[in-house]
Amino acid sequence: GAGVSQSPSNKVTEKGKDVELRCDPISGHTALYWYRQRLGQGLEFLIYFQGNSAPDKSGLPSDRFSAERTGESVSTLTIQRTQQEDSAVYLCASSLGQSDTGELFFGEGSRLTVL
Amino acid sequence: KQEVTQIPAALSVPEGENLVLNCSFTDSAIYNLQWFRQDPGKGLTSLLLIQSSQREQTSGRLNASLDKSSGRSTLYIAASQPGDSATYLCAVQSSSWGKLQFGAGTQVVVTP
Repeated sequence: GAGVSQSPSNKVTEKGKDVELRCDPISGHTALYWYRQRLGQGLEFLIYFQGNSAPDKSGLPSDRFSAERTGESVSTLTIQRTQQEDSAVYLCASSLGQSDTGELFFGEGSRLTVL
Repeated sequence: KQEVTQIPAALSVPEGENLVLNCSFTDSAIYNLQWFRQDPGKGLTSLLLIQSSQREQTSGRLNASLDKSSGRSTLYIAASQPGDSATYLCAVQSSSWGKLQFGAGTQVVVTP
C-alpha cells in the first residue's frame, strides 16, 4: 500500500479481555516497529522486527504483550488480560531496513481504551 | 543508555516569527537523527532526517542542524504559520538497524 496501515483505529475493551492490533507496513519495508504513546507522554519503544532476524523485544512491558510478524509483511501486537494502564495509542512504523537511511514511516495508530 | 531531551516542552509564537526547537542526546555515537511532526490524534510525519555524517538538512521553510560532538540538533522553522501548530519530536537511531529513541516533544502553537 501507499503507507503504513493500522487497524482497528479505535478499540474499546473491558479489563481482562485480550486484544489484537494489526499493522500492514509499506510494501518492501523489511523493518517494522511498534511504539506505545500514553496520553500526554512520549513514544515508548515496544518491539522491532528486521527481516528474518530475531526481533528486539526489549521494550515489551510485561509477558502479557507479544507480537508476531510473518516474513516481511503484516504484524500483530497482542495484549492479553488487558489492564487500564494499557490504554494508549499504539503506533506502528516501517522502514526499508539495514543499509538504508533509516527513515521511518508511521501509521495513524490504534487507540486502545481499557474500561 | 541513550537519552533524548527536547527543550522547551511548549512554545507559543505569533505568526511570522521564526521557530527554534532544540534536541539534545547523551550518546554522540548515532547513525541518524530524525525530526517528526505529530498533529493531535494522528500518527507521526517525518520532516527531516540527518545522517551522522551530515551537518544539516533543509526542506522548504525547515532547516535542521546536527552537532554530534556536543550532542545537539536544532530545528528551525522560518516565518511560522498557524498550520505549523503541532508537536515536534526528535528521535535518534544508534545503528543502521534498531529502535529510535524519542524525545518527549515540543508542543508548538502559532497564533494568527
